[in-house]
Amino acid sequence: GAVVSQHPSWVICKSGTSVKIECRSLDFQATTMFWYRQFPKQSLMLMATSNEGSKATYEQGVEKDKFLINHASLTLSTLTVTSAHPEDSSFYICSARGERNRYNSPLHFGNGTRLTVT
Amino acid sequence: TQLLEQSPQFLSIQEGENLTVYCNSSSVFSSLQWYRQEPGEGPVLLVTVVTGGEVKKLKRLTFQFGDARKDSSLHITAAQPGDTGLYLCAGLTTSGTYKYIFGTGTRLKVLA
Repeated sequence: GAVVSQHPSWVICKSGTSVKIECRSLDFQATTMFWYRQFPKQSLMLMATSNEGSKATYEQGVEKDKFLINHASLTLSTLTVTSAHPEDSSFYICSARGERNRYNSPLHFGNGTRLTVT
Repeated sequence: TQLLEQSPQFLSIQEGENLTVYCNSSSVFSSLQWYRQEPGEGPVLLVTVVTGGEVKKLKRLTFQFGDARKDSSLHITAAQPGDTGLYLCAGLTTSGTYKYIFGTGTRLKVLA
């Protein structure tokens, strides 16, 4: 089955530093990847849609300058949390569409990255 | 903004009991998926329903998509401790970037 690898699985950083999270589709090509944020015991909140070779589409209320998304290849999207602050601490999850060019194909999720900003 | 409300938010039941989780919206979705998530992991897809009125069964789990494609339900028969987890519905928007919007989640705990 389709596998999505997310790295790192957890990271602790100091306030003011930047953190990069990688999301890779290991055995399929993903033209579209999605980045979600999840607070403890809550559901997933869509942050942005990442399209290979073009700019990401951010959801309302998500700061594009703070959460930089790059989707440079069909198998890799990155999320960089810039100048992280304690309120950015959260569980970040990426997902990729299972089949290229099928908008209704299921999502395959990475295992998430727990970010803690001290 | 399209919202998906799930009910109940929390459910704690004894092993062997039946339960139903609801996912409701005022918006129409192209399709709807159900996921289950364990702590510290990403959600795992359970099922996709596409057609209004569609019913799908996966062992002890029965999924239904509403006729108007605005709501869905998940019914679990004879729940087991292994069913414990966070259940999430996700609706695929009908236009634009075709993105999945997740429901508010139902946290299920099945006691042995």
